[in-house]
Amino acid sequence: QQQVKQSPQSLIVQKGGISIINCAYENTAFDYFPWYQQFPGKGPALLIAIRPDVSEKKEGRFTISFNKSAKQFSLHIMDSQPGDSATYFCAASWESSASKIIFGSGTRLSIRP
Amino acid sequence: DSGVTQTPKHLITATGQRVTLRCSPRSGDLSVYWYQQSLDQGLQFLIQYYNGEERAKGNILERFSAQQFPDLHSELNLSSLELGDSALYFCASSVGTGGGYTFGSGTRLTVV
Repeated sequence: QQQVKQSPQSLIVQKGGISIINCAYENTAFDYFPWYQQFPGKGPALLIAIRPDVSEKKEGRFTISFNKSAKQFSLHIMDSQPGDSATYFCAASWESSASKIIFGSGTRLSIRP
Repeated sequence: DSGVTQTPKHLITATGQRVTLRCSPRSGDLSVYWYQQSLDQGLQFLIQYYNGEERAKGNILERFSAQQFPDLHSELNLSSLELGDSALYFCASSVGTGGGYTFGSGTRLTVV
C-alpha cells in the first residue's frame, strides 16, 4: 500500500533527447509527489514536486506529468544535457503531516554527449 | 550547502565497533529522518524524529538506535558493526508539516 514503483532502473539518452522516468503508487492518500536528483557522493536534492490537483508542472526543462486515475506520474527532462546525468528518485508522501517520504528505487540516468 | 549538517563525512572502523553519526537539521526544521543507502541501492528509511520524539520506524536493525536532542540535533548510533553496514547514511530534515525534505551530504561509513 505504501510502495512507490519506479522504472526504468537505468536509462541512457543522447544529448538533446528527452529523458522519461515513470512511477506508480498505490496509496490514494498520498498528496505530495516530489522528485529528487542525486549526484555521486552527494545527498539527494529536491528537483520538482507536484500535488494531485494538477496534471502537469513544469520548471525549466523538467516536467512532471500526473495521472491521478491511473495512480502514475512521470518526470520528463527535455533537451537532456550531460550535466543531467544523475540518479533520480520519485517519491510520495502526505504533505499535511510530519511523515516520512516513500521513495522509489531510483533511476540512473546517463546522457551521452 | 543545504543547511543540514552531517558529521563526520567519512568514517572507517572495524567490525564489532560502535560509531555515532551526527546530524544538525536546517534551522527551524523539527523533523529529522535517517536513511541508509548501500552501493547501487535506493534510500532505505531507518527512523524519524519529530521535535524530540520518535515518530516512525523503518527497516532499522536492533543494533542501531537514534535520538533527537532538545536542540533538535540528532545522533544515529550503530553498534556491533558488520561489513554489510558499510553504506552512506543520510540525514534529512523538514519543517514538520510534511512536504519535501532537505538532505545532508551524508556520512560514508566503511566497516573493515
